[in-house]
Amino acid sequence: SAVISQKPSRDICQRGTSLTIQCQVDSQVTMMFWYRQQPGQSLTLIATANQGSEATYESGFVIDKFPISRPNLTFSTLTVSNMSPEDSSIYLCSVEPGLAGFQFFGPGTRLTVL
Amino acid sequence: AQSVAQPEDQVNVAEGNPLTVKCTYSVSGNPYLFWYVQYPNRGLQFLLKYITGDNLVKGSYGFEAEFNKSQTSFHLKKPSALVSDSALYFCAVRALDMGRRALTFGSGTRLQVQP
Repeated sequence: SAVISQKPSRDICQRGTSLTIQCQVDSQVTMMFWYRQQPGQSLTLIATANQGSEATYESGFVIDKFPISRPNLTFSTLTVSNMSPEDSSIYLCSVEPGLAGFQFFGPGTRLTVL
Repeated sequence: AQSVAQPEDQVNVAEGNPLTVKCTYSVSGNPYLFWYVQYPNRGLQFLLKYITGDNLVKGSYGFEAEFNKSQTSFHLKKPSALVSDSALYFCAVRALDMGRRALTFGSGTRLQVQP
């Protein structure tokens, strides 16, 4: 299993600013994933983050807007840059420990941009 | 490309009655299929998965799901619903391609169990 924590749990930010979200896992994992859940909608994958390499972004998401760091096997950050109200969402990180066969999700970061 | 369809935005069922939440999928090759549940203000919790083997998969909290390859479906079921089952349910798929482990989610189905 894996226990995932995210910081902050929620934030209210002003347009044009940036927010960095932290994801900490209690065990070493190869891949970490960042998802976005817009209000009332499903989860959409932003990027896959491997330790020691650049993140792989999905169509519609770019590194300049959502830079990701993965400095070690238990930690990652996602930055939401130059925010606009359209970025208001829940941002979730997830991991898939080697033998689990499924992904564990963090509690999410609820972001509101004014 | 892979996709998941959950045709019902909401399912209403009386407590004690059986429930079904529908899911169909599209993926190249053989699928990994999952069900997750999201309670208000909480992250996603894993319910069950299908990778291979028996078409009927049993999971947490008395839930089960039936994989039907010919109909490309993976419906979630429970014989007797509880009020505490009321939540948002997501079906997800991943191709059996070890190079890509990210999930594609359906739009979600809100289950409302009435006492």
